[in-house]
Amino acid sequence: DIQMTQSPSSLSASVGDRVTITCRASQSMSVYLNWYQQKPGKAPKVLISAASTLQSGVPSRFSGSGSGTDFTLTISSLQPEDFATYYCQQSYSTPWTFGQGTKVDFK
Amino acid sequence: DVQLLESGGDLVQPGGSLRLSCAASGLTFSSYAMTWVRQSPGKGLECVSGISGGGGDPYYADSVKGRFTISRDNSQNTLYLQMSSLRAEDTAIYYCARSPGFAVKSRYYFDYWGQGTLVTVSS
Repeated sequence: DIQMTQSPSSLSASVGDRVTITCRASQSMSVYLNWYQQKPGKAPKVLISAASTLQSGVPSRFSGSGSGTDFTLTISSLQPEDFATYYCQQSYSTPWTFGQGTKVDFK
Repeated sequence: DVQLLESGGDLVQPGGSLRLSCAASGLTFSSYAMTWVRQSPGKGLECVSGISGGGGDPYYADSVKGRFTISRDNSQNTLYLQMSSLRAEDTAIYYCARSPGFAVKSRYYFDYWGQGTLVTVSS
């Protein structure tokens, strides 16, 4: 199975901050990497697919980049509704696997 | 609107069995691969099992292989997960999730999720 490692596990930030979360895969997987946002008590919501494709309705402050084994999710200017946990997920080979999550909370 | 509604979660003793259901609406159910994803309390996400739109090509996580069986009834727009020989470590919220493709091994994401159903394995 492909192992996904996110960093950091948690971070504290303020509204307006630029936030970067990284995800590293245990093997090369082209651009088959997706990012999700999860809020407490809710199911995850897809933000970005195929490393950099912004899903419909997702604000443009979210962006993704990377290929191979190293990927990045960037929030250009953190908004109050962005405080949540973020997960990467590989869709290169089954079983699909997720990173362990990055919790973004208030500084 | 696409809606996925899970049911069947319960408190069950170790070694017991349970069947989860996921009722789908607002989509041509048979056109899409479906996956069960679980989340243990305070922990991350794990893809447990997936199945193609036609009901073929199932896959399972190693942690559940031989104990869980995924199936679907496209005439009833329903996805199932039959769980047996349950263990404490199977305790989790179980979500069903759709991929925007027919084949389970299509390299897609999960675009629709249910609200989840809680399975607790404890004596």
